[in-house]
Amino acid sequence: GAVVSQHPSWVICKSGTSVKIECRSLDFQATTMFWYRQFPKQSLMLMATSNEGSKATYEQGVEKDKFLINHASLTLSTLTVTSAHPEDSSFYICSARDRGPVGHGYTFGSGTRLTVV
Amino acid sequence: SQQGEEDPQALSIQEGENATMNCSYKTSINNLQWYRQNSGRGLVHLILIRSNEREKHSGRLRVTLDTSKKSSSLLITASRAADTASYFCATDVRETSGSRLTFGEGTQLTVNP
Repeated sequence: GAVVSQHPSWVICKSGTSVKIECRSLDFQATTMFWYRQFPKQSLMLMATSNEGSKATYEQGVEKDKFLINHASLTLSTLTVTSAHPEDSSFYICSARDRGPVGHGYTFGSGTRLTVV
Repeated sequence: SQQGEEDPQALSIQEGENATMNCSYKTSINNLQWYRQNSGRGLVHLILIRSNEREKHSGRLRVTLDTSKKSSSLLITASRAADTASYFCATDVRETSGSRLTFGEGTQLTVNP
């Protein structure tokens, strides 16, 4: 079945630094990827939608200059948290739209736990 | 913005009992999906029900969908301690830019041994 590999699974960084999270679709082409953020004991909030070769579409309230999304190929999308601050500490999950005949439409990465100290 | 609202927010039951979680949404949907998430982990897809379906079963799971009321329910029968997790409904909505998945607030289920 479709697999999305997300790395790193966890990262601790100092305040002010930038962190890059990668999501790769391993056995299918993902023309669209979604990035979610989840704070403790809360639901997943969609941050942005990225389409291969074009600019990402950000949800209201999400700073595009802070959360840089690059979807340069059909198998790779990256989220860079720039100048990270403790309030950016969260669980980030990517999802790729999967058009396989058996899938349920979306394949999720395993998530990245970001802690900013 | 979040489309789905779930209730209850938290549910605590004894092993062997049934657990029912409800989800309501606002817009027309392609399908509705239920996911499980163990604490601090990724999502596990449980079941998908299409907008033209009313009920679906998978093992100990039973999902219903009422599009007239824009609501769905997830029933877990004969619960086990291992079912302890957060459960989210997610609606697949078609938009001009393509479809997207929007999650409900979630229900934290605790199954006591």
